[in-house]
Amino acid sequence: DAGVIQSPRHEVTEMGQEVTLRCKPISGHDYLFWYRQTMMRGLELLIYFNNNVPIDDSGMPEDRFSAKMPNASFSTLKIQPSEPRDSAVYFCASSIQVDSANTGELFFGEGSRLTVL
Amino acid sequence: AQSVTQPDIHITVSEGASLELRCNYSYGATPYLFWYVQSPGQGLQLLLKYFSGDTLVQGIKGFEAEFKRSQSSFNLRKPSVHWSDAAEYFCAVPSSGAGTALIFGKGTTLSVSS
Repeated sequence: DAGVIQSPRHEVTEMGQEVTLRCKPISGHDYLFWYRQTMMRGLELLIYFNNNVPIDDSGMPEDRFSAKMPNASFSTLKIQPSEPRDSAVYFCASSIQVDSANTGELFFGEGSRLTVL
Repeated sequence: AQSVTQPDIHITVSEGASLELRCNYSYGATPYLFWYVQSPGQGLQLLLKYFSGDTLVQGIKGFEAEFKRSQSSFNLRKPSVHWSDAAEYFCAVPSSGAGTALIFGKGTTLSVSS
């Protein structure tokens, strides 16, 4: 079974440009998470969805960041306009509802490394 | 609020030596606990998890971890480290109830010397 798929793997852009990161979760998973990883702050949760509905977006740094999940198999994280301090690795992860057989572990994509010049 | 502390930022061990990575957590109830590993340029991979039952849990790649409620700890161990174990290791707990997002520690970078 395919894992979480993220694109692009690397993105280099100039300050002020719009950046769109994409994620395809594992089929059948009903939770999707966006994390950001930096040296200074570690892994930070930005937003997560359950059944395509945003549940907690308190980690989204500012209005320049937005995330959508139009269907169960696709999500985007958009930064507009981008700034150099947005440079980081952005991870998407998915998981399945916790029940007697599942304990809520997250499955991560390989990340999108964003560099804003 | 839930939190995770990994006291060691960087650890170096000799190949073949034993390893213990520390993790302390703050959680309101019996926690689910996770250890993940991240190799350079890769995503995070689950090593092992604790959710109930036996407090000593076995994971992949020969790792194990022990849940100690009295010490609020979930330390990761391996009896004999291999050079391929060099990576960054993260401990995590759910942010609230089970089935929600995970909060990660800052991570411990493991270097293996020959």
